[in-house]
Amino acid sequence: QVQLVQSGAEVRKPGASVKVSCKASGYTFTDYYIHWVRQAPGQGLAWMGWINPNSGGTQFAQKFQGRVTLTRDMSISTYYMQLSRLRSDDTAVYYCARGDCSSTSCSRGNWFGPWGQGTLVTVSS
Amino acid sequence: QSVLTQPPSVSGAPGQRVTISCTGSSSNIGAGYDVHWYLQLPGAAPKLLIYTNTIRPSGVPDRFSGSKSGTSASLAITGLQAEDEADYYCQSYDSGLSGGVFGGGTKVTVL
Repeated sequence: QVQLVQSGAEVRKPGASVKVSCKASGYTFTDYYIHWVRQAPGQGLAWMGWINPNSGGTQFAQKFQGRVTLTRDMSISTYYMQLSRLRSDDTAVYYCARGDCSSTSCSRGNWFGPWGQGTLVTVSS
Repeated sequence: QSVLTQPPSVSGAPGQRVTISCTGSSSNIGAGYDVHWYLQLPGAAPKLLIYTNTIRPSGVPDRFSGSKSGTSASLAITGLQAEDEADYYCQSYDSGLSGGVFGGGTKVTVL
């Protein structure tokens, strides 16, 4: 079955960087974009950006531009999200999710599914 | 502050019908972009509930239904059950932001 499995929880100090992985299985890696979404404690979902698995091209929410890097390793079907210059308000659960659409709906935006299980990143001095 | 607006909470007795609204603007829902809904149980990842405004993925009970009109969308849950207690999020695309946008989430409580 289609599955996204993320790396484990991380703890970092302010100013440091963190890299979260997301391994895809059960589908053709190059057929779907991967999106990243984060959720601060007790808060809602915030879209961070996407990566095109074929070209490696990326698009980010303005809030994260300049601090987030999305990459992929096609040889192991794994995506990575790196967030730099961490602040305490970056403490959140980070999710990867597969973007999807139908042949008639792609121009009207993607839905997200399935999702990875989430990776808690804690930023604390 | 979320781009899409949802009520923070709704509640209902078992068996009742509840609806969750999702209000956007002319750069997202009103521009014709589709609305999708997710359910999130405590401590779990979100799960796709409705996609392309009205379509239920395989395995989602037909008690859940979605609709969209103008700059808003709605999720309805009929025959409310205790297991429906969760957070629900709407999501769309925003052309001004060039990316995905979510509602702030609605907590459904079964009385």
